[in-house]
Amino acid sequence: NAGVTQTPKFRVLKTGQSMTLLCAQDMNHEYMYWYRQDPGMGLRLIHYSVGEGTTAKGEVPDGYNVSRLKKQNFLLGLESAAPSQTSVYFCASTRGRSSPLHFGNGTRLTVT
Amino acid sequence: DQQVKQNSPSLSVQEGRISILNCDYTNSMFDYFLWYKKYPAEGPTFLISISSIKDKNEDGRFTVFLNKSAKHLSLHIVPSQPGDSAVYFCAASAPGTSYGKLTFGQGTILTVHP
Repeated sequence: NAGVTQTPKFRVLKTGQSMTLLCAQDMNHEYMYWYRQDPGMGLRLIHYSVGEGTTAKGEVPDGYNVSRLKKQNFLLGLESAAPSQTSVYFCASTRGRSSPLHFGNGTRLTVT
Repeated sequence: DQQVKQNSPSLSVQEGRISILNCDYTNSMFDYFLWYKKYPAEGPTFLISISSIKDKNEDGRFTVFLNKSAKHLSLHIVPSQPGDSAVYFCAASAPGTSYGKLTFGQGTILTVHP
């Protein structure tokens, strides 16, 4: 049982490049989330999904897009990367409010 | 506007002593609070939670206290162990929000010395 798996673990992009971060969970959770962690800021919610085929904006959605075509996968896309998007990105999932979030181990992204 | 604040960036304690991590919030709508622990190069892992209808929740060495009038919660670890050294995040959610839509504090680095 792998839980929440994020790929890649590390990535370096040049400004303007695009990329997709993949999150996969094997716990049959309905709810999935993308957070970013920056020094001194804690974790901030980018986008989330309450079920297959649904997505919604979080606190800091600008510059990102997401898709949830399959229940187990949640993709985070950067269309045109900017240095301000240098961060550690965490995917998480949960089955409901009484259940805590399960996080992946993160993707460290650097945009130069 | 930081709705959840952890004002102590770091805390250092001796093994066997009590660790007290604090968290303040400003949004009176928050009704569910959680603590997560994070080791380097890993994702946060859930530690303990408390609903606003309670003022205390205990799980082994970990106890969370909630003071709604002060909008303050604290995590007590007794006794502290070197393996507890990690970053601790408090988080909060409001009713009617998506289940994992949490507002996190900035984190406190706990170091437990042998």
